[in-house]
Amino acid sequence: DVKVTQSSRYLVKRTGEKVFLECVQDMDHENMFWYRQDPGLGLRLIYFSYDVKMKEKGDIPEGYSVSREKKERFSLILESASTNQTSMYLCASSLEWLIWTSGIAEQFFGPGTRLTVL
Amino acid sequence: DAKTTQPTSMDCAEGRAANLPCNHSTISGNEYVYWYRQIHSQGPQYIIHGLKNNETNEMASLIITEDRKSSTLILPHATLRDTAVYYCIVRDLYNFNKFYFGSGTKLNVKP
Repeated sequence: DVKVTQSSRYLVKRTGEKVFLECVQDMDHENMFWYRQDPGLGLRLIYFSYDVKMKEKGDIPEGYSVSREKKERFSLILESASTNQTSMYLCASSLEWLIWTSGIAEQFFGPGTRLTVL
Repeated sequence: DAKTTQPTSMDCAEGRAANLPCNHSTISGNEYVYWYRQIHSQGPQYIIHGLKNNETNEMASLIITEDRKSSTLILPHATLRDTAVYYCIVRDLYNFNKFYFGSGTKLNVKP
Protein backbone atom coordinates (compact mmCIF):
# COMPACT_ATOMS: atom_id res chain seq x y z
CA ASP A 1 0.00 0.00 0.00
CA VAL A 2 1.08 3.52 -0.72
CA LYS A 3 1.87 5.39 2.38
CA VAL A 4 2.03 9.15 2.66
CA THR A 5 3.06 10.43 6.05
CA GLN A 6 3.12 13.94 7.44
CA SER A 7 5.42 15.00 10.23
CA SER A 8 2.74 16.22 12.64
CA ARG A 9 -1.02 15.80 13.04
CA TYR A 10 -1.33 18.96 15.11
CA LEU A 11 0.91 22.01 15.26
CA VAL A 12 0.60 25.33 17.09
CA LYS A 13 2.83 28.22 16.10
CA ARG A 14 3.03 31.94 16.77
CA THR A 15 2.67 34.73 14.25
CA GLY A 16 5.95 35.45 12.51
CA GLU A 17 7.48 32.05 13.13
CA LYS A 18 8.99 30.04 10.31
CA VAL A 19 7.09 26.78 9.94
CA PHE A 20 8.13 23.59 8.18
CA LEU A 21 5.60 20.93 7.24
CA GLU A 22 7.15 17.69 6.06
CA CYS A 23 5.66 15.03 3.83
CA VAL A 24 7.18 11.67 2.92
CA GLN A 25 5.89 9.03 0.51
CA ASP A 26 7.28 5.53 0.20
CA MET A 27 6.16 4.48 -3.29
CA ASP A 28 8.64 6.27 -5.53
CA HIS A 29 5.99 8.65 -6.87
CA GLU A 30 7.14 11.44 -9.17
CA ASN A 31 4.39 13.92 -8.29
CA MET A 32 3.76 15.47 -4.91
CA PHE A 33 1.24 18.10 -3.88
CA TRP A 34 0.42 20.41 -0.99
CA TYR A 35 -3.17 21.48 -0.35
CA ARG A 36 -4.88 23.43 2.37
CA GLN A 37 -8.42 22.68 3.41
CA ASP A 38 -10.74 25.25 4.93
CA PRO A 39 -14.46 25.00 5.76
CA GLY A 40 -16.61 26.02 2.83
CA LEU A 41 -13.64 26.30 0.47
CA GLY A 42 -12.76 22.66 -0.07
CA LEU A 43 -9.16 21.73 -0.90
CA ARG A 44 -7.01 24.31 -2.59
CA LEU A 45 -3.71 23.53 -4.25
CA ILE A 46 -0.76 25.49 -2.89
CA TYR A 47 2.20 23.98 -4.75
CA PHE A 48 3.08 20.80 -6.55
CA SER A 49 6.26 19.13 -7.72
CA TYR A 50 6.69 16.71 -10.61
CA ASP A 51 10.34 15.88 -9.99
CA VAL A 52 13.20 16.50 -7.59
CA LYS A 53 14.01 20.21 -7.37
CA MET A 54 11.06 21.01 -9.64
CA LYS A 55 8.05 22.93 -8.41
CA GLU A 56 5.00 24.66 -9.78
CA LYS A 57 2.65 27.14 -8.16
CA GLY A 58 -0.87 26.05 -7.52
CA ASP A 59 -3.84 28.31 -6.97
CA ILE A 60 -2.79 29.92 -3.68
CA PRO A 61 1.02 30.00 -3.40
CA GLU A 62 1.26 33.38 -1.68
CA GLY A 63 2.95 33.16 1.70
CA TYR A 64 4.31 29.67 1.05
CA SER A 65 7.37 28.08 -0.46
CA VAL A 66 8.33 24.45 -1.01
CA SER A 67 11.39 22.29 -1.20
CA ARG A 68 11.95 18.93 -2.87
CA GLU A 69 15.53 17.82 -2.46
CA LYS A 70 14.73 14.10 -2.51
CA LYS A 71 12.09 12.26 -4.48
CA GLU A 72 10.30 10.93 -1.42
CA ARG A 73 10.14 14.18 0.54
CA PHE A 74 8.21 17.38 -0.14
CA SER A 75 8.33 20.21 2.37
CA LEU A 76 5.98 23.16 2.74
CA ILE A 77 7.47 26.27 4.31
CA LEU A 78 5.68 29.20 5.84
CA GLU A 79 8.39 31.85 5.96
CA SER A 80 6.52 34.04 8.45
CA ALA A 81 3.35 32.42 9.70
CA SER A 82 0.20 34.50 9.90
CA THR A 83 -3.17 33.81 11.51
CA ASN A 84 -4.85 33.44 8.11
CA GLN A 85 -2.65 30.42 7.50
CA THR A 86 -4.41 28.52 10.25
CA SER A 87 -5.76 25.54 8.34
CA MET A 88 -5.61 21.82 7.66
CA TYR A 89 -2.68 21.03 5.36
CA LEU A 90 -2.79 17.92 3.21
CA CYS A 91 0.03 16.35 1.26
CA ALA A 92 -0.54 13.99 -1.66
CA SER A 93 1.49 12.03 -4.20
CA SER A 94 0.80 10.32 -7.51
CA LEU A 95 2.58 8.29 -10.15
CA GLU A 96 3.52 10.07 -13.35
CA TRP A 97 3.33 7.14 -15.71
CA LEU A 98 -0.18 6.12 -14.74
CA ILE A 99 -1.49 9.38 -16.07
CA TRP A 100 -0.13 8.85 -19.52
CA THR A 101 -0.92 5.19 -19.85
CA SER A 102 -4.32 4.80 -18.29
CA GLY A 103 -5.76 8.20 -17.60
CA ILE A 104 -5.71 7.52 -13.91
CA ALA A 105 -4.45 10.43 -11.87
CA GLU A 106 -5.12 8.95 -8.49
CA GLN A 107 -3.63 10.97 -5.72
CA PHE A 108 -2.76 9.33 -2.41
CA PHE A 109 -3.22 11.62 0.54
CA GLY A 110 -1.57 11.83 3.91
CA PRO A 111 -3.59 12.21 7.13
CA GLY A 112 -3.15 15.98 7.26
CA THR A 113 -1.58 18.49 9.65
CA ARG A 114 -3.86 20.85 11.51
CA LEU A 115 -1.88 24.05 11.92
CA THR A 116 -2.97 26.79 14.30
CA VAL A 117 -1.19 30.14 14.16
CA LEU A 118 -1.75 32.29 17.23
CA ASP B 1 -11.46 24.06 -16.49
CA ALA B 2 -14.94 23.11 -15.49
CA LYS B 3 -16.15 23.63 -11.98
CA THR B 4 -18.65 21.37 -10.29
CA THR B 5 -21.84 21.85 -8.31
CA GLN B 6 -22.90 19.38 -5.65
CA PRO B 7 -25.56 19.42 -2.93
CA THR B 8 -24.19 20.37 0.44
CA SER B 9 -25.49 17.30 2.22
CA MET B 10 -27.55 14.14 1.73
CA ASP B 11 -28.96 11.43 3.94
CA CYS B 12 -29.15 7.75 3.12
CA ALA B 13 -30.45 4.75 5.04
CA GLU B 14 -27.98 1.99 5.77
CA GLY B 15 -28.20 -0.80 3.19
CA ARG B 16 -29.85 1.39 0.58
CA ALA B 17 -28.22 2.83 -2.51
CA ALA B 18 -26.72 6.28 -2.17
CA ASN B 19 -26.93 8.39 -5.32
CA LEU B 20 -24.75 11.48 -5.25
CA PRO B 21 -25.31 13.96 -8.10
CA CYS B 22 -22.81 16.36 -9.61
CA ASN B 23 -23.27 19.06 -12.24
CA HIS B 24 -20.36 20.01 -14.48
CA SER B 25 -22.10 21.85 -17.29
CA THR B 26 -18.95 23.52 -18.65
CA ILE B 27 -16.87 20.36 -18.90
CA SER B 28 -14.67 20.17 -21.98
CA GLY B 29 -13.89 17.19 -24.15
CA ASN B 30 -10.57 16.26 -22.57
CA GLU B 31 -11.68 16.54 -18.98
CA TYR B 32 -12.28 13.49 -16.83
CA VAL B 33 -14.74 13.23 -13.96
CA TYR B 34 -13.21 12.01 -10.71
CA TRP B 35 -14.79 11.18 -7.38
CA TYR B 36 -12.95 11.23 -4.06
CA ARG B 37 -14.24 10.95 -0.54
CA GLN B 38 -12.92 12.17 2.77
CA ILE B 39 -13.79 10.42 5.97
CA HIS B 40 -13.50 12.55 9.06
CA SER B 41 -9.90 13.17 10.16
CA GLN B 42 -8.43 11.42 7.13
CA GLY B 43 -7.03 12.56 3.80
CA PRO B 44 -9.20 12.22 0.67
CA GLN B 45 -9.44 8.79 -0.94
CA TYR B 46 -9.85 8.07 -4.63
CA ILE B 47 -13.09 6.28 -5.56
CA ILE B 48 -13.56 6.20 -9.32
CA HIS B 49 -13.14 8.22 -12.49
CA GLY B 50 -14.54 8.28 -16.04
CA LEU B 51 -14.57 10.16 -19.31
CA LYS B 52 -17.67 9.22 -21.30
CA ASN B 53 -18.74 5.71 -20.41
CA ASN B 54 -20.26 4.51 -17.20
CA GLU B 55 -17.73 2.90 -14.88
CA THR B 56 -17.93 0.43 -12.02
CA ASN B 57 -15.40 -0.82 -9.52
CA GLU B 58 -15.49 -2.53 -6.17
CA MET B 59 -16.40 0.68 -4.39
CA ALA B 60 -18.94 2.41 -6.58
CA SER B 61 -20.51 3.06 -9.98
CA LEU B 62 -20.22 6.24 -11.97
CA ILE B 63 -22.99 7.23 -14.36
CA ILE B 64 -22.15 10.06 -16.78
CA THR B 65 -24.90 11.60 -18.88
CA GLU B 66 -24.58 11.47 -22.63
CA ASP B 67 -23.90 15.21 -22.86
CA ARG B 68 -21.37 14.84 -20.01
CA LYS B 69 -22.85 17.82 -18.19
CA SER B 70 -23.64 15.82 -15.09
CA SER B 71 -22.80 12.58 -13.34
CA THR B 72 -23.97 10.45 -10.45
CA LEU B 73 -21.89 8.42 -8.04
CA ILE B 74 -23.73 5.35 -6.79
CA LEU B 75 -22.82 3.45 -3.65
CA PRO B 76 -25.01 0.37 -4.11
CA HIS B 77 -25.37 -0.65 -0.47
CA ALA B 78 -24.35 2.20 1.80
CA THR B 79 -22.88 1.36 5.20
CA LEU B 80 -22.22 3.57 8.21
CA ARG B 81 -18.55 3.63 7.19
CA ASP B 82 -19.52 5.40 3.97
CA THR B 83 -20.41 8.52 5.95
CA ALA B 84 -18.00 11.07 4.48
CA VAL B 85 -17.68 14.15 2.30
CA TYR B 86 -17.76 13.18 -1.38
CA TYR B 87 -15.98 15.36 -3.91
CA CYS B 88 -16.76 15.46 -7.60
CA ILE B 89 -13.88 16.85 -9.62
CA VAL B 90 -13.34 17.47 -13.29
CA ARG B 91 -9.80 17.50 -14.40
CA ASP B 92 -7.79 18.04 -17.53
CA LEU B 93 -5.60 14.99 -17.93
CA TYR B 94 -2.54 17.02 -18.78
CA ASN B 95 -2.71 19.81 -16.22
CA PHE B 96 -1.64 18.78 -12.74
CA ASN B 97 -2.63 22.02 -11.10
CA LYS B 98 -6.20 21.97 -12.35
CA PHE B 99 -7.67 19.72 -9.72
CA TYR B 100 -10.48 21.61 -7.98
CA PHE B 101 -11.97 19.79 -5.03
CA GLY B 102 -14.76 22.20 -4.18
CA SER B 103 -16.87 21.80 -1.04
CA GLY B 104 -18.32 18.36 -1.79
CA THR B 105 -21.43 16.61 -0.46
CA LYS B 106 -21.60 15.42 3.11
CA LEU B 107 -23.26 12.00 2.97
CA ASN B 108 -24.84 10.90 6.24
CA VAL B 109 -25.61 7.19 6.32
CA LYS B 110 -28.12 6.48 9.04
CA PRO B 111 -28.98 3.17 10.72
